[in-house]
Order: sequence, then C-alpha cells, then structure tokens
Amino acid sequence: DTGVSQDPRHKITKRGQNVTFRCDPISEHNRLYWYRQTLGQGPEFLTYFQNEAQLEKSRLLSDRFSAERPKGSFSTLEIQRTEQGDSAMYLCASSLGPRGYTFGSGTRLTVV
Amino acid sequence: AQKITQTQPGMFVQEKEAVTLDCTYDTSDPSYGLFWYKQPSSGEMIFLIYQGSYDQQNATEGRYSLNFQKARKSANLVISASQLGDSAMYFCAMREVGFGNEKLTFGTGTRLTIIP
Repeated sequence: DTGVSQDPRHKITKRGQNVTFRCDPISEHNRLYWYRQTLGQGPEFLTYFQNEAQLEKSRLLSDRFSAERPKGSFSTLEIQRTEQGDSAMYLCASSLGPRGYTFGSGTRLTVV
Repeated sequence: AQKITQTQPGMFVQEKEAVTLDCTYDTSDPSYGLFWYKQPSSGEMIFLIYQGSYDQQNATEGRYSLNFQKARKSANLVISASQLGDSAMYFCAMREVGFGNEKLTFGTGTRLTIIP
C-alpha cells in the first residue's frame, strides 16, 4: 500500500472552466475527507465520506463544488465554473478511525 | 466551536537544539484528539504525533513529544535535537471525538527554520 494518492498534482485552468480531482485512499480505510488550504492558512474541512455515503459537508462547499465516492473506493471532487478564489491546495485524507488520518500530497489548483 | 491557536508564525532554531512549538485549543467537548502535522514545501501533510484527551501520559514518537496540559488547554510540540530536515510548516489540529464529528480543525501553522 502506497498511501493516499491524488491526481493531478498540479492543475492550471482558466476561469469558468470545470475541473475534477481524484483521490485514491488507503485501501482498507473506510473514511475519506477533502480539505482546502489557501496560502498561509491551515487546511479547512470541505466534506467527509464514510464508505460511499457523504455524511458531512462544510458551508465552504458551495453549489459549484460536488464530491462523490462511488462504491466506497476512490473519490472525485469537481469544481464547476471555477473562480480565481478557488485557487488553493486541495488535500485528501483517509482513516479507519479517529486517530489515523493519512493525507495525500494534494492537488494545487491555479485559476487564471 | 472548535478553535486552534498557534501564536508563532515563524521560528529560527540552531541545528541540534530542542524546539517547542506552541498550540492552544478551545473546546467544550470532554472527548477530543490533538494532532501535529509537518508540511514541507512539497505540500504533503505528514502525521507526527497524536494525543487523546483521556490519555494519561504525554505522547512521544521518536524525537517528537507532546507537552499536553489539559487544564491550560495547551498541546505544545517538542522536537529534540533538531535537524536541517525539520525545516517546514507545522500545524496543530484537533478533532472532537463523537458520531458525526469527523473533521480536523487546524491552526494557522508555524514555519520552522533550522539554521546550520
């Protein structure tokens, strides 16, 4: 097991375009999380899945954002009609329980 | 609401010295967990150490130890014998343990620079 994988590592997109990020968690982890980190800040929670069910969403997750985790395996985070304020690092994490959070390397999004 | 405060935006430490990174937290929940993560310039969040609110002893992981003072609501990270590779951002985070409370709340971080 190679840990939590995120793809792509970097994405540059024009304002108004849609983007999709992928996260592959550690295989035995049933919990999956998405966080967003802007420059100079700590990560902020976006959403959480237990298996395939999306159980919690932050109000940061506007209606332009959608996340899925089909079959409880990998997850995708889509941003529609990107805005410059969406530029950030998007981090995925997975865990089995309350102690074992493991983060991926993140996807750095730049909206130009 | 949960809150994590890290009051040191940046620190410079001589190589091989010990360093303490401060973290205070605020929660009304009696059951919670505290985490420290290291984030190098490459961006990944590397787990360092965990302390549960009911753990009787301070957590230790190699050169990392957590100075947990529950009454003062502080969870400072101590790095012994610092190395050049310790230069990075360090984040303190908290999770309230309970059904539906899965998210971590992070502080704003401390940038640690180790001087040779």
